Amino acid sequence: DQQVKQNSPSLSVQEGRISILNCDYTNSMFDYFLWYKKYPAEGPTFLISISSIKDKNEDGRFTVFLNKSAKHLSLHIVPSQPGDSAVYFCAASAHTGANNLFFGTGTRLTVIP
Amino acid sequence: DAGVIQSPRHEVTEMGQEVTLRCKPISGHNSLFWYRQTMMRGLELLIYFNNNVPIDDSGMPEDRFSAKMPNASFSTLKIQPSEPRDSAVYFCASSLLARGAGEKLFFGSGTQLSVL
Repeated sequence: DQQVKQNSPSLSVQEGRISILNCDYTNSMFDYFLWYKKYPAEGPTFLISISSIKDKNEDGRFTVFLNKSAKHLSLHIVPSQPGDSAVYFCAASAHTGANNLFFGTGTRLTVIP
Repeated sequence: DAGVIQSPRHEVTEMGQEVTLRCKPISGHNSLFWYRQTMMRGLELLIYFNNNVPIDDSGMPEDRFSAKMPNASFSTLKIQPSEPRDSAVYFCASSLLARGAGEKLFFGSGTQLSVL
């Protein structure tokens, strides 16, 4: 049973516009969330993270928002660039529990020049 | 830093054959993870080692799967016998800290396995 869900398998956005990728989770014990980015033929690479004590974390063009009551997080990319075209994985973990990250199925973002 | 190195990059084999995937973690990292990526389930953890000791293998799908880490710089994932449903991309990842929870993992480029 998927504890981390990314319900949109793909997303297309025009260059310069905002990209919003969504992620939902079911396990209330999760308290740390990460986004990974994956290019074809490469492994996922860490992008940005957020602890459950925060509701927002920003790093340059990337911002992650966390809504604990809704068990929902989102990744905003603004402005979107063609180089952002990749698969984005949402991941979650529980510091007090599991020793691993639970990943979603990924969202393929295509930024159209 | 060479990063996590996996071999082979691609493996095509016939059903029933033994498959061995290899991984060299980042030097100095003490935790190693094997993940499998499928369209339906995304990235699933198969097994996790800390200081060369298997800590959690609950994700290993069947007895056909086994993993070893004989030393800090090498790990293998073996499938015997292989089946078509094992076709997927297998990733190895490593991290520095003991607990994987919340830590940034460094992934290899993966092994694309096709079982015919």
